[in-house]
Amino acid sequence: DTAVSQTPKYLVTQMGNDKSIKCEQNLGHDTMYWYKQDSKKFLKIMFSYNNKELIINETVPNRFSPKSPDKAHLNLHINSLELGDSAVYFCASSQRTGDYGYTFGSGTRLTVV
Amino acid sequence: AQSVTQLGSHVSVSEGALVLLRCNYSSSVPPYLFWYVQYPNQGLQLLLKYTSAATLVKGINGFEAEFKKSETSFHLTKPSAHMSDAAEYFCAGLMNRDDKIIFGKGTRLHILP
Repeated sequence: DTAVSQTPKYLVTQMGNDKSIKCEQNLGHDTMYWYKQDSKKFLKIMFSYNNKELIINETVPNRFSPKSPDKAHLNLHINSLELGDSAVYFCASSQRTGDYGYTFGSGTRLTVV
Repeated sequence: AQSVTQLGSHVSVSEGALVLLRCNYSSSVPPYLFWYVQYPNQGLQLLLKYTSAATLVKGINGFEAEFKKSETSFHLTKPSAHMSDAAEYFCAGLMNRDDKIIFGKGTRLHILP
């Protein structure tokens, strides 16, 4: 069973479109994250949710909106996509007490054309 | 400012030789530190972590890292490189238990036959 699963794995879309990426974890972790990895492999946190509550919201355009219907799911919705949004987006989860190591999904490669 | 710095964006070693990937951190409190590996087109996998127990941490695939407070370092080593070790390696730190993990910019490890 995949611990952190993201869908879709690849997403190609035109500028101006709205798209969503879904993430689910079956580890029972209470915290989930979205990271963006740019073309130079740099990983930057975007959002973090703890048990459905937003706890980290980095400087991200408000076109990006995370939604957490329950603590096992954290989706990312992006409005009015721009060329600069092209990147690999990783979902991750962790247990904030005791373990701290993140478990990452396999990523969603978003290409905006 | 809290940060994680990886020295060398590319490191090449011969198969069978020692692997040494360097990581330094800056933190006002004792950090938790991690090494992750990313194979092409995959997510990040946790190699090992330091969470204030033993300063020499052993991880998967024969890797280990030593936390040196006096040098603010957490270098990753492996005695004998294998072709399958070729990947991108990320050092990361959790400087505040209620905050986010900060990633270094990554080091691409090349293994020469």
